[in-house]
Amino acid sequence: NAGVTQTPKFRVLKTGQSMTLLCAQDMNHEYMYWYRQDPGMGLRLIHYSVGEGTTAKGEVPDGYNVSRLKKQNFLLGLESAAPSQTSVYFCASSPDRSTGELFFGEGSRLTVL
Amino acid sequence: DQQVKQNSPSLSVQEGRISILNCDYTNSMFDYFLWYKKYPAEGPTFLISISSIKDKNEDGRFTVFLNKSAKHLSLHIVPSQPGDSAVYFCAASGWDSNYQLIWGAGTKLIIKP
Repeated sequence: NAGVTQTPKFRVLKTGQSMTLLCAQDMNHEYMYWYRQDPGMGLRLIHYSVGEGTTAKGEVPDGYNVSRLKKQNFLLGLESAAPSQTSVYFCASSPDRSTGELFFGEGSRLTVL
Repeated sequence: DQQVKQNSPSLSVQEGRISILNCDYTNSMFDYFLWYKKYPAEGPTFLISISSIKDKNEDGRFTVFLNKSAKHLSLHIVPSQPGDSAVYFCAASGWDSNYQLIWGAGTKLIIKP
């Protein structure tokens, strides 16, 4: 029962490097989300998708790009990493948006030096 | 401008007693409220929710109360158990946030034996 799987779990980058975080869900959910969590703050939505081939901006989209080429996968890209993007990133999925019940991955800790 | 506020960063409660976690919101257009629980190195997991048309929802040891006039909700855990030690996040959604969740900063609950 995998649920939502994020890779990698940890990554250290230098400023200016690029990377991609992968999120995979096996629950056939339509909606997928990328959040970041910083100390003393709640989760903030970066981008989300309401179905295969769709993406939309969330609260803090700058510096990130996403793609949803397959229903089960949602990729988060950083083209030129900055220290301000040091954070814990969570992917989530949901069957719809009506109840707000999201299923989260375990998180990916990213450090940008 | 935090729309969802959890003013207590931490709370310590004796095992077997009641734990009360509080959450305040500013947006009267929110129509759905949720509590999530998070253990270290894991993603948040959904705990309980309440619609704005209700003032109470109960699920086992967990009860959520909503006071719309005060824009306040609370989560009661009775009796508190050691496994309840975690960070608890309050979240809210409504049509004007496009039904995306707006999160509080979380309250760390510590259950003392």
